[in-house]
Amino acid sequence: EPEVTQTPSHQVTQMGQEVILRCVPISNHLYFYWYRQILGQKVEFLVSFYNNEISEKSEIFDDQFSVERPDGSNFTLKIRSTKLEDSAMYFCASKRTGGGDQPQHFGDGTRLSIL
Amino acid sequence: GENVEQHPSTLSVQEGDSAVIKCTYSDSASNYFPWYKQELGKGPQLIIDIRSNVGEKKDQRIAVTLNKTAKHFSLHITETQPEDSAVYFCAASGSARQLTFGSGTQLTVLP
Repeated sequence: EPEVTQTPSHQVTQMGQEVILRCVPISNHLYFYWYRQILGQKVEFLVSFYNNEISEKSEIFDDQFSVERPDGSNFTLKIRSTKLEDSAMYFCASKRTGGGDQPQHFGDGTRLSIL
Repeated sequence: GENVEQHPSTLSVQEGDSAVIKCTYSDSASNYFPWYKQELGKGPQLIIDIRSNVGEKKDQRIAVTLNKTAKHFSLHITETQPEDSAVYFCAASGSARQLTFGSGTQLTVLP
C-alpha cells in the first residue's frame, strides 16, 4: 500500500539554526499538509498546499515557516531561526482530492529536538 | 474555528471486552469525521471514517456512530485484542478542510 514517507526520523538542531523537514507524499495525491504535535498535546494543523501554493495556514505558521514542493515528489517544511518551543513531532499528510470529506494519510513523522 | 473534545484520555479494558471513545465537535459545518490509531513511534493511521450523511459505519470489529444534532461521534471497538492498544485520535473537518484533532485516548487492552 502506498505511504507517505518522511525524513529524517529524528533531527537535533541548535537553537537559532534552520532546519528542513522532508516528505514524499503518495504519488497520485495532490493536496499536502504539515501538522505538529508537541509532546503530550494535540496534533495541530500548520499548513495546507495545493497547486504549488499555500491554500490555508494556521496562526502557528508564521514567517518563521515556509513550505515548498521543489520537484514532482518532495514536499518540504523549512523552519528558520529555530526556538526551543519548536521541539515537536512534525507530520506530513497527503490526500488525493480536495474535498473536506476525503481521507488524509500521514507519514511517521520527524521528531525535531531543539537544543 | 472548530474545536474537538475527546474522552476519556485513558481507557483500560480486559481483552475481549468493548471499548468506546467519544468526541464532540463545535462547528456544525463539519462533515467528515475520521479516527486515527497511533502506535508508538508511528504516525496516525486512518482506521475508519464517517461522513455527515451517514449515522453509523462498521468495519469488522470497529464501528463509528455520528449524531449530527448533538454534534458528537463515537468509536466502538468490540472483542478487543492486545494489538488494539494504542493512542486513538478523533478528528473533524468541513468548511476548513484541514483536520482538527481531539486530544487522544490511550487505550490499553489487558490480557
